[in-house]
Amino acid sequence: QKEVEQDPGPLSVPEGAIVSLNCTYSNSAFQYFMWYRQYSRKGPELLMYTYSSGNKEDGRFTAQVDKSSKYISLFIRDSQPSDSATYLCAMREYSSASKIIFGSGTRLSIRP
Amino acid sequence: GAVVSQHPSWVICKSGTSVKIECRSLDFQATTMFWYRQFPKQSLMLMATSNEGSKATYEQGVEKDKFLINHASLTLSTLTVTSAHPEDSSFYICSASPLGPAYEQYFGPGTRLTVT
Repeated sequence: QKEVEQDPGPLSVPEGAIVSLNCTYSNSAFQYFMWYRQYSRKGPELLMYTYSSGNKEDGRFTAQVDKSSKYISLFIRDSQPSDSATYLCAMREYSSASKIIFGSGTRLSIRP
Repeated sequence: GAVVSQHPSWVICKSGTSVKIECRSLDFQATTMFWYRQFPKQSLMLMATSNEGSKATYEQGVEKDKFLINHASLTLSTLTVTSAHPEDSSFYICSASPLGPAYEQYFGPGTRLTVT
């Protein structure tokens, strides 16, 4: 079993829709949770990061962490064609020496 | 802020030659830099972690003699792929963490290596 599971998609939704992206994980020691956006042939861009459980909102993006269920989500409101990319969840343990574990990424396409 | 650059952005080399890829943090000092490899439609696989002034820590299965990493300053790390083979063709991405908590990693734009 992988430490982090993420549905690879592809996920295709119409412009303006609410998008929900999810990851599950098995390591209960994970404390930091991140979402990265990666456009084709580019490096990942940090979108959101949260510590422990709870919600965090930034513009059209909302990240949720449910540690009891070992489940994290990223919601995108009013989705735009420019949101079309691969979204990677990532997480790590509390120690600053621990490495980040990435999900496999979900390919998202927003149809105009 | 938090910009990381990589050079070159793409490179084609012949089998048996060596290729050097540079990773620079442009507006912050990075005590730690990371090198990842990414195959098409797959996630990032950590190859090694480098700390300024010390030897890199390689992940299991990564040949340290083939992938030479040097972190000579707080803003520069290099990855040299020695005696490259076609199976080394991949997308190589570096990331850097600023001084302080290492939970944020800022990624470079990546280098596409093709070995013919």
